Amino acid sequence: GAVVSQHPSWVICKSGTSVKIECRSLDFQATTMFWYRQFPKQSLMLMATSNEGSKATYEQGVEKDKFLINHASLTLSTLTVTSAHPEDSSFYICSARNRLAYEQYFGPGTRLTVT
Amino acid sequence: QKEVEQNSGPLSVPEGAIASLNCTYSDRGSQSFFWYRQYSGKSPELIMSIYSNGDKEDGRFTAQLNKASQYVSLLIRDSQPSDSATYLCALEGSGIAAGNKLTFGGGTRVLVKP
Repeated sequence: GAVVSQHPSWVICKSGTSVKIECRSLDFQATTMFWYRQFPKQSLMLMATSNEGSKATYEQGVEKDKFLINHASLTLSTLTVTSAHPEDSSFYICSARNRLAYEQYFGPGTRLTVT
Repeated sequence: QKEVEQNSGPLSVPEGAIASLNCTYSDRGSQSFFWYRQYSGKSPELIMSIYSNGDKEDGRFTAQLNKASQYVSLLIRDSQPSDSATYLCALEGSGIAAGNKLTFGGGTRVLVKP
């Protein structure tokens, strides 16, 4: 139980293009999902909190127009990196908070490389 | 002062021994505490959650929580080389503004030597 999937697991895109990453809770409902970014040998950095049916809340310094988040259902949130640049290359990880419990489960992550 | 503090390690442990990891926190209102394991290049994996003072055991893992002293610990019994990873202590912040966000410690790197 408590499985979170992400798709794709890795993606390479050209500078200036957009990339969409999906995060799904497979066996539980998640009213809240979170999006993180992690650079090599660094800590997880929370980018935004996504609540089902409402606008995402972004952390300070994260551009909401660049990182578009949609949480359309209790099991799906998407992150779109718009007009990607090489500095956006990173490991993007989502987590989902079980609606009926307090635990958060992480997806396997998406490795984005922008060339 | 960081909100969640952990010794960065590495904590070197012989195979079969007990690994003891500690974490202190500053938010007295926190009620939910978690230990995650993260292998290099992978995402964190939840291994323990604890909400009440005392011990909670799950297999080879035991989490201990002491809210009065503001610390939470993790014991790994019969450590195996596969336990070599970074262990992240996390808590869910208190108050509405926290929004169920997790605050992480910097992680403790554990190396289990055969």
